[in-house]
Amino acid sequence: QSVLTQPPSASGTPGQTVTISCSGTSSNIGSNTVNWYQQVPGAAPKLLIFSNDWRPSGVPDRFSGSKSGTSASLAISGLQSEDEADYYCSSWDDSQNGRVVFGGGTRVTVL
Amino acid sequence: EVQLVQSGAEVKKPGESLKISCKASGYTFTTYWIGWVRQMPGKGLEWVGIIYPADSDTRYSPSFQGQVTISVDKSLNTAYLQWSSLKASDTAIYYCARDYDSFDFWGQGTLVTVSS
Repeated sequence: QSVLTQPPSASGTPGQTVTISCSGTSSNIGSNTVNWYQQVPGAAPKLLIFSNDWRPSGVPDRFSGSKSGTSASLAISGLQSEDEADYYCSSWDDSQNGRVVFGGGTRVTVL
Repeated sequence: EVQLVQSGAEVKKPGESLKISCKASGYTFTTYWIGWVRQMPGKGLEWVGIIYPADSDTRYSPSFQGQVTISVDKSLNTAYLQWSSLKASDTAIYYCARDYDSFDFWGQGTLVTVSS
């Protein structure tokens, strides 16, 4: 049972917009920033969004993040076949002496 | 160029000890936290813990406290994750990653298989 809650799957056709939600609590998303990671099958995770809505250099602007209260979301616009991957949200959690928590991951399928 | 290069895959028996490594290059090793993340077969990401190489300040996830030890060798720019007595449930891929309020660079992962 992950601390952050994500839908297990999402899908869309090429060109569509897919949005993934991430729900937390006041001890994590409610008081800390959210990061998003992309993991293509068989590869290591890659940082996609940091500090709620910032993209690292090299990440296409098709990817965008937002946060409101104790929830966050990742939007992928202009969906492409190479976006098929697992996506994880993450945040710091102030409980239990502090720890990083992840969502359970969302598998995005391009139909 | 920032790189984190991890040691190779390991196959061990229950009860054996193990130490895997993560060698950093391309940045000042002592100025960024290094974290470890577990991914069990077919499952999601789990935070194991982090270490600050400058002073070896270490934080563990409650789920891993007492089960693993995280350490560094500053002279080698290398972080380690070790077990004193492996269990079958430790079978997973373990990733190291540089921590700068997010895990911005990741190692390629080390597959640890524990089986009798």
